[in-house]
Amino acid sequence: AQSVTQPDIHITVSEGASLELRCNYSYGATPYLFWYVQSPGQGLQLLLKYFSGDTLVQGIKGFEAEFKRSQSSFNLRKPSVHWSDAAEYFCAVGAGGAGRRALTFGSGTRLQVQP
Amino acid sequence: GAVVSQHPSWVICKSGTSVKIECRSLDFQATTMFWYRQFPKQSLMLMATSNEGSKATYEQGVEKDKFLINHASLTLSTLTVTSAHPEDSSFYICSARDLGGGQADTQYFGPGTRLTVL
Repeated sequence: AQSVTQPDIHITVSEGASLELRCNYSYGATPYLFWYVQSPGQGLQLLLKYFSGDTLVQGIKGFEAEFKRSQSSFNLRKPSVHWSDAAEYFCAVGAGGAGRRALTFGSGTRLQVQP
Repeated sequence: GAVVSQHPSWVICKSGTSVKIECRSLDFQATTMFWYRQFPKQSLMLMATSNEGSKATYEQGVEKDKFLINHASLTLSTLTVTSAHPEDSSFYICSARDLGGGQADTQYFGPGTRLTVL
């Protein structure tokens, strides 16, 4: 069965600083990988996804993520964080055509942005 | 992008009553929808997979007689929490798979429904 680990429960960065959120997955084949963002009391918004091809994927709001098979990682990055980026971030993995099966989510990383 | 709506966005009910939550795909058809539950400050946990025209598939530990799922059309799935108790209070989120085009492998999430059982 697949699993996702987000080692950082809570991260605080200053506005304008760079950001990297870690995600490690466990899955036997090529995974379908996603990053979602959730604001308090809200649903999930898809930031970006990786299915195949270029291992560096660009998403919305200036986010990008890099798939590294050798490290089983899919870390999320942003070069300059804005105060509006404060939220909960979830990494997720899907299998066998991600739309056909439910996603397995990591425990989430809460991002706090200091002025 | 594809939009998924949920209704209601929040509900408060008395213990022992039943609550129905609707999940709709607004601009696409979805043969499969998923229901997740999220407790405060925790991640999303899959409850069940809703398949249009057939019975839902429940995850281990989820009572199918308590959480009734109906997927009567390609754009609507409903989750009914029967005889709700305070421990059922949670944030319920649905997702739907877009059937068509290049987005077929992406799930889109609804905004969630916060259930509080008194």
